[in-house]
Amino acid sequence: QITLKESGPPLVKPTQTLTLTCTFSGFSLTTSGVGVGWIRQPPGKALEWLALISWDDDKRYIPSLKSRLTITKDTSKNQVVLTMTNMDPVDTAAYYCARWTSSLGAFDIWGQGTMVTVSS
Amino acid sequence: DIQMTQSPSSLSASVGDRVTITCQASQDIRKYLNWYQQKPGKAPKLLIYDASNLETGVPSRFSGSGSGTDFTFTIHSLQPEDIATYYCQQYDNLLYTFGQGTKLEIK
Repeated sequence: QITLKESGPPLVKPTQTLTLTCTFSGFSLTTSGVGVGWIRQPPGKALEWLALISWDDDKRYIPSLKSRLTITKDTSKNQVVLTMTNMDPVDTAAYYCARWTSSLGAFDIWGQGTMVTVSS
Repeated sequence: DIQMTQSPSSLSASVGDRVTITCQASQDIRKYLNWYQQKPGKAPKLLIYDASNLETGVPSRFSGSGSGTDFTFTIHSLQPEDIATYYCQQYDNLLYTFGQGTKLEIK
């Protein structure tokens, strides 16, 4: 069974750095064609893809936020970490991690999401 | 950047109706278009990949078609459990853009 689970602080202050961890099981991020992505969703709004890291350590970021985002992986721990600097109230959202498979070309398995509120 | 225009933003239909949602890309994305279903308070679920391929376990009343810039998602006979928001998503240029979503309600 493939699962992903997000963890991180539910509340951060403006200007702080957010660190989110995606812990997964049932697949390996050393397998060719596999990646893990981060997608967020502000309350009542649409999904927004943020970043993706692939099995070969290729990293992709949404251009509008690229300067604030860093995605890394720890294959020994089956974890992917996303950091976002200089948090603002507009970054308040549910943050999801999801597995990407090149065989489907889609995010086929999603975590349950974690809500992050940015407020002083 | 490729922009995805999804329409309508919301729609209301009756059980048994055929429902159609469209997604238009700002440039040619070949077949690289996926459709997801998101129920309230839940994570999205993959329904269709590569424009027309049904994900394993997804009911056959869901289908997708299209290529290039114009894509269509259809529910052939709406069921009460299909109440959700549906999103298209492209990945042609190694960036992964979502549409703005279509909220589907039952009449």
